[in-house]
Amino acid sequence: SQKIEQNSEALNIQEGKTATLTCNYTNYSPAYLQWYRQDPGRGPVFLLLIRENEKEKRKERLKVTFDTTLKQSLFHITASQPADSATYLCALAGGSYIPTFGRGTSLIVHP
Amino acid sequence: SAVISQKPSRDICQRGTSLTIQCQVDSQVTMMFWYRQQPGQSLTLIATANQGSEATYESGFVIDKFPISRPNLTFSTLTVSNMSPEDSSIYLCSVRGEKLNTGELFFGEGSRLTVL
Repeated sequence: SQKIEQNSEALNIQEGKTATLTCNYTNYSPAYLQWYRQDPGRGPVFLLLIRENEKEKRKERLKVTFDTTLKQSLFHITASQPADSATYLCALAGGSYIPTFGRGTSLIVHP
Repeated sequence: SAVISQKPSRDICQRGTSLTIQCQVDSQVTMMFWYRQQPGQSLTLIATANQGSEATYESGFVIDKFPISRPNLTFSTLTVSNMSPEDSSIYLCSVRGEKLNTGELFFGEGSRLTVL
């Protein structure tokens, strides 16, 4: 069955460092992969999309890589700030373009 | 972008009762999605609601348990019927953004249901 795996343990880092979150998937051939941010008590907010034929995408302090051979995406936040503390969700979509979500990884940035 | 309002934001319900969640979007959209997010779990798609047709349910979800209405292009309701404690969850309404090349989904704030 299709599986999307994100580290269930929270990632704790110091302010100013680069946070790197991982999304692995199996039994899936996604057309694209998305990353969302979710704050407690709020709905997810879209951050970035990367397509199957793209290796890297950047947006301000965010960078996403997509390796379809390894079946893995890495999500980087450079110069992290306490305001970046949230849960980050990976989502994959195939031909239907309706995303399937991972459980998310909690990021905690300490001042 | 799309602004989505959900009601109620939270509720405490008794076992065996039913609750209807409302979702209002500030623009007309073809497809609306209903997700469930159980504690510590991923968002799971319950169904896709299209105006003028029956909702399409995902595996493991049935219309008798989660009836959906879609009377127009800006509104939908999800009913959680005959609730049990296992239905305690956050229910989220979502629409796809107009920028189809991003596949971006916009979400409401969610409705947190606790079933006693």
